[in-house]
Amino acid sequence: EAGVTQFPSHSVIEKGQTVTLRCDPISGHDNLYWYRRVMGKEIKFLLHFVKESKQDESGMPNNRFLAERTGGTYSTLKVQPAELEDSGVYFCASSQETGSIYEQYFGPGTRLTVT
Amino acid sequence: RKEVEQDPGPFNVPEGATVAFNCTYSNSASQSFFWYRQDCRKEPKLLMSVYSSGNEDGRFTAQLNRASQYISLLIRDSKLSDSATYLCVVRGAGSYQLTFGKGTKLSVIP
Repeated sequence: EAGVTQFPSHSVIEKGQTVTLRCDPISGHDNLYWYRRVMGKEIKFLLHFVKESKQDESGMPNNRFLAERTGGTYSTLKVQPAELEDSGVYFCASSQETGSIYEQYFGPGTRLTVT
Repeated sequence: RKEVEQDPGPFNVPEGATVAFNCTYSNSASQSFFWYRQDCRKEPKLLMSVYSSGNEDGRFTAQLNRASQYISLLIRDSKLSDSATYLCVVRGAGSYQLTFGKGTKLSVIP
């Protein structure tokens, strides 16, 4: 079974530009999550989709970040305009709803550098 | 106080040693508990879910103490391949979001 995939693996952009990250969850997983790790900090939650609906976006830092999951399959996370502090590794994870544990499986991440 | 606290390490241990990681969490209503491992510049990989009764998977044993809000991971007979950062992760009540500790770095030395 294929795992969570993310594209691109790396992105270097200038401050003020726009970047779109993509995540493909494990097939059949209705739950999709975005997390971010900035340098020196712990991994932090950004938001959670159930199918195409945003269930929890309490971790989104500001309105420069827009996440979508049209059709309930893959998701995109757009940063517009990018700022220096947006640099970090953006992870996507997915889970299926079985039992009460909701184990989440992570993709390889997109390393974003804003210069 | 951080929501999930771990000793940052690093822990440098010889092959074959037993090593223990500890973690405390602040939200007493937390529902699920996990240990992930993360290799350098890679994604976190789920190592174990932690159950109230404690659980074991080969050389790995996880314990949960809800009264003390404490989670532990014991690795026996350490291998070179166990070298990684170990992340303590908690899921709160009524939420799917995971809260991560900063991780404890383990280096197993030949």
